[in-house]
This record gives sequence, C-alpha cells and structure tokens, in this order.
Amino acid sequence: EVQLAASGGGLVQPGGSLRLSCEASGFNFSNYWKTWVRQAPGKGLEWVAKISQDGSKQYYLDSVKGRFTISRDNAKNSLYLQMNSLRAEDTAVYYCASSMFGEYYFDYWGRGNLVTVSS
Amino acid sequence: EIVLTQSPGTLSLSPGERATLSCRASQSFSSKYLAWYQHKPGQAPRLVMSGTTKRATGIPDRFSGSGSGTDFTLTISRLEPEDFAVYFCQQYGRSPITFGGGTKVEIK
Repeated sequence: EVQLAASGGGLVQPGGSLRLSCEASGFNFSNYWKTWVRQAPGKGLEWVAKISQDGSKQYYLDSVKGRFTISRDNAKNSLYLQMNSLRAEDTAVYYCASSMFGEYYFDYWGRGNLVTVSS
Repeated sequence: EIVLTQSPGTLSLSPGERATLSCRASQSFSSKYLAWYQHKPGQAPRLVMSGTTKRATGIPDRFSGSGSGTDFTLTISRLEPEDFAVYFCQQYGRSPITFGGGTKVEIK
C-alpha cells in the first residue's frame, strides 16, 4: 500500500522556522519528482516547491524563493521542506505529492500537514 | 497562469444520482493535461482521472471524464456512499501547474 506520511507542522511565530518531512512507502520513491502543494484557509491549492528524482533540480513559487528549501533523501524515501522567515501568508495545509515528471499529474499524495504562522 | 474555475461549489445529491462537475479554464490547453482528484476529510487526495478521460488505478467505471479546450467535466454516473467528497481539477499543460477550487459533493 502506498503511503506518504507527513510530519513537522505546527504553530510558529512570524519570522520563525519549521521543517516538514514526508516519508514514503509502497512505491519506488526515487522514480518520482516530489512536490509540496499547499492550501491556505479558504483558498485553492498551489504548488510551492518541486524537486527532481535525483535532487539536482529544484523549483520554487516566487513568494517562497530564498525562504524555503526543498530536499530529498532517496535512501530514506524522504522528502523535506525547510521553511525559514515564515510569514502569516504561509499559513496553510501542506501536502507532499509525487509525479513522474516535473509538470504532471500527481499519482500519490500525503495527508495534509497544518502550518500556522501566528504570534 | 491558467485559472481553473470549478462549478458548482457544492453539489447536494442522493446516492444513486448522477453528479456532473465542471472545470473551466481561463485559457485553452490540450485535454491530455487535465486531471481530477478526490479528497476526503483527513485523508490524502486521490487521483481519479488523468488526461481528461483515463481513470486511475482502482477507480470504478461509474467515473468518467470529458472535455476539451477550456471546458472539462467529471461525471459520476450513480453516486455511491464512498463518492461523497471534494473533487478538484488540475491542469499540467502549461507552467505553472494550477488547480481548481474544488467541488464538494455532499449527501442531500
């Protein structure tokens, strides 16, 4: 059974940092691009960051460039999102998702992980 | 970027009824690049359809997709209790990928 278990969310003050993790099982993790997708309260989904199968390519939403870093460890079947200088507008449920290509549909998703940025 | 608008926002139907969900794009793109997902509270979203018409693994044939250009539709021919959920569309034909706001299919 395919599972993507996300962890690391929570409440953080503006300007603070948080690291999200997503551990996968049940499929060949290293074959897939990985993307973080978020949904802010009352809004639609938006992609945040994505990383290629071998980790050599990373792309970011403009509003998170320089603040967020996506990484992966294929040996541990794990994906990460280091979030620094967090802002209130980063408050959202964050999902990890897997796709065969960088701009493609997502075969697998994890459960959401709530990140709340508030003082 | 392509904006996807889903309608209606909420669909209230009874089991056994037909559900028709719309996804309209602000720009035309190939139907090869439209996906639908099902999302239930507390669960991970699940791929339902890719390439507009291709059902994902394990998706029953009561689900069907159609459309082209800017107008796409997901149809559930006879709703089963497990089909009540939020459905959202996604286009991956033009960068950046974008998602629709979702349609909630609720039990009437």
